[in-house]
Amino acid sequence: KAGVTQTPRYLIKTRGQQVTLSCSPISGHRSVSWYQQTPGQGLQFLFEYFSETQRNKGNFPGRFSGRQFSNSRSEMNVSTLELGDSALYLCASSLSGFGNTIYFGEGSWLTVV
Amino acid sequence: AQSVTQLGSHVSVSEGALVLLRCNYSSSVPPYLFWYVQYPNQGLQLLLKYTTGATLVKGINGFEAEFKKSETSFHLTKPSAHMSDAAEYFCAVSESGGATNKLIFGTGTLLAVQP
Repeated sequence: KAGVTQTPRYLIKTRGQQVTLSCSPISGHRSVSWYQQTPGQGLQFLFEYFSETQRNKGNFPGRFSGRQFSNSRSEMNVSTLELGDSALYLCASSLSGFGNTIYFGEGSWLTVV
Repeated sequence: AQSVTQLGSHVSVSEGALVLLRCNYSSSVPPYLFWYVQYPNQGLQLLLKYTTGATLVKGINGFEAEFKKSETSFHLTKPSAHMSDAAEYFCAVSESGGATNKLIFGTGTLLAVQP
């Protein structure tokens, strides 16, 4: 059974540009979440989608957005990139319901220069 | 609001020694508790979780954790450390009965295993 797949794994962008990261959840998982990991702030929740609806959102500026498609695949977008957006972006998926195991992908490493 | 505190950002043990990584949580409702491990340049891998039932939870790679409500703790232990256990460990909490799978993570503990 394939795990959570994130693309691209590594990317370098310039300040002011925008970026789109993609996530394919484990088959059958309808909940997809995104997290940002940085050395200074640690692991922070960005947002969660369930059945194409955003179910929860973290404390990030509006430049960070996401969406989920009918096949549960998800994308997140960061517009007007800032140096501080350099981070590992992790996608996670789980079955419906709560208390289920949340599986993480390998992450997308974003460097903003 | 929920929160997680991991005592000790760096822990060093000798190979074969006991591993004890500390986690305390704050939650106004019964929590779901998780331990994840992250190896360099990789994502997070679940070691174990507590939702309900038995308070002593066994996970992968010989790790276990005990949920102690009175102490609001969920410490991770392993009787005998192995070199391959060197990694960063994260404790996390989510709300039971909530409408989200949002995880709140601690700041992590980097475990070093000395030969």
